[in-house]
Amino acid sequence: EPEVTQTPSHQVTQMGQEVILRCVPISNHLYFYWYRQILGQKVEFLVSFYNNEISEKSEIFDDQFSVERPDGSNFTLKIRSTKLEDSAMYFCASRDRGPQGQPQHFGDGTRLSIL
Amino acid sequence: AQSVTQLDSQVPVFEEAPVELRCNYSSSVSVYLFWYVQYPNQGLQLLLKYLSGSTLVKGINGFEAEFNKSQTSFHLRKPSVHISDTAEYFCAVRASDTGRRALTFGSGTRLQVQP
Repeated sequence: EPEVTQTPSHQVTQMGQEVILRCVPISNHLYFYWYRQILGQKVEFLVSFYNNEISEKSEIFDDQFSVERPDGSNFTLKIRSTKLEDSAMYFCASRDRGPQGQPQHFGDGTRLSIL
Repeated sequence: AQSVTQLDSQVPVFEEAPVELRCNYSSSVSVYLFWYVQYPNQGLQLLLKYLSGSTLVKGINGFEAEFNKSQTSFHLRKPSVHISDTAEYFCAVRASDTGRRALTFGSGTRLQVQP
């Protein structure tokens, strides 16, 4: 069964550095998402992406964050000038076109640790 | 906006016993409902979904859930659990209109199946 893959599985970065989290969505999917889960808290929506542009973003997704689909397969989340509170598990998800209600398929996540 | 409440943060249960994981939601619009499972060090895997129609939906691994509109609930059940069902379970909702497609998650319930 096709999977969403995320790399790296664990990223350790110094505070203030930039980090790029990478995702390869399922190949025929058209909608892409990033979520994050701070340790012990809920999974929170960050941003959705469709047709090469952001379709929706949460209040968490401020100017520090950006997303990009640099080629036909990758979907990246960039965090500029990382802060301690950016430490979390970041999940990428993708969804097929079709009837509404198509479920989102998630990757295994990238654990980001800011030191 | 939507919100999801999972009242039980942890549910210990013995192997082969039945289990119910509770989920209540709040929304001003119609929603789709989902249950995801997260095994240790893995991503979120879809268990089942409710879009419309029959209020009792069956998912993978013997799980089922019942949508109750009057009580705004979507409780997850399994008649006989196995050790391998030990995991974190997340209830999630999404607006069913053409607007926001992001998932809103509950805080999760850790199911601990004991021998």
